[in-house]
Amino acid sequence: ILNVEQSPQSLHVQEGDSTNFTCSFPSSNFYALHWYRWETAKSPEALFVMTLNGDEKKKGRISATLNTKEGYSYLYIKGSQPEDSATYLCAFMAGTASKLTFGTGTRLQVTL
Amino acid sequence: DARVTQTPRHKVTEMGQEVTMRCQPILGHNTVFWYRQTMMQGLELLAYFRNRAPLDDSGMPKDRFSAEMPDATLATLKIQPSEPRDSAVYFCASGLGSRYEQYFGPGTRLTVT
Repeated sequence: ILNVEQSPQSLHVQEGDSTNFTCSFPSSNFYALHWYRWETAKSPEALFVMTLNGDEKKKGRISATLNTKEGYSYLYIKGSQPEDSATYLCAFMAGTASKLTFGTGTRLQVTL
Repeated sequence: DARVTQTPRHKVTEMGQEVTMRCQPILGHNTVFWYRQTMMQGLELLAYFRNRAPLDDSGMPKDRFSAEMPDATLATLKIQPSEPRDSAVYFCASGLGSRYEQYFGPGTRLTVT
């Protein structure tokens, strides 16, 4: 059983704050790390797929880094807005299979 | 705007009844996944297919759940007989392979009474 952990479990920030979350995964047999954004009552939407150690990806105010040797990825949100409120999921893929193991997510709430 | 579609969106049924959920993956996607969202487990993988062949269904209770892809445009998840503990939201997702993102459908909310 692959262990994918995310911290913190939940986070409450004010509009304009920058924030970051952590995803920890097994450092052996790494293949890919996915980040998804999941708004309440909707379905998960892909943010990033990261495959190389040292990868950095950016989409607007959201960026992510990857360290496969130590088994962690950070997701950063710069200048949080209320529309960023969602659960952020990371998912780990080992070997060459397409199977993702999801973490339990970080729930972000951004208030005015 | 290509999307994964799922039917039905909501299903309420009595214990013991058969339930069939359907998914239409995005045209051209070769991998299809079935997930279940529960309060305790979060998102758990039930089964997945590549090029319509089942690759892993270890997450499914084999005695009551079955997943099939009769053709490239349709994936089904069947529960027979259903039990109250099967109540959850079931998501289908499709993708182009291991290093690509998965696109999720809107989910089927199943309630078994």
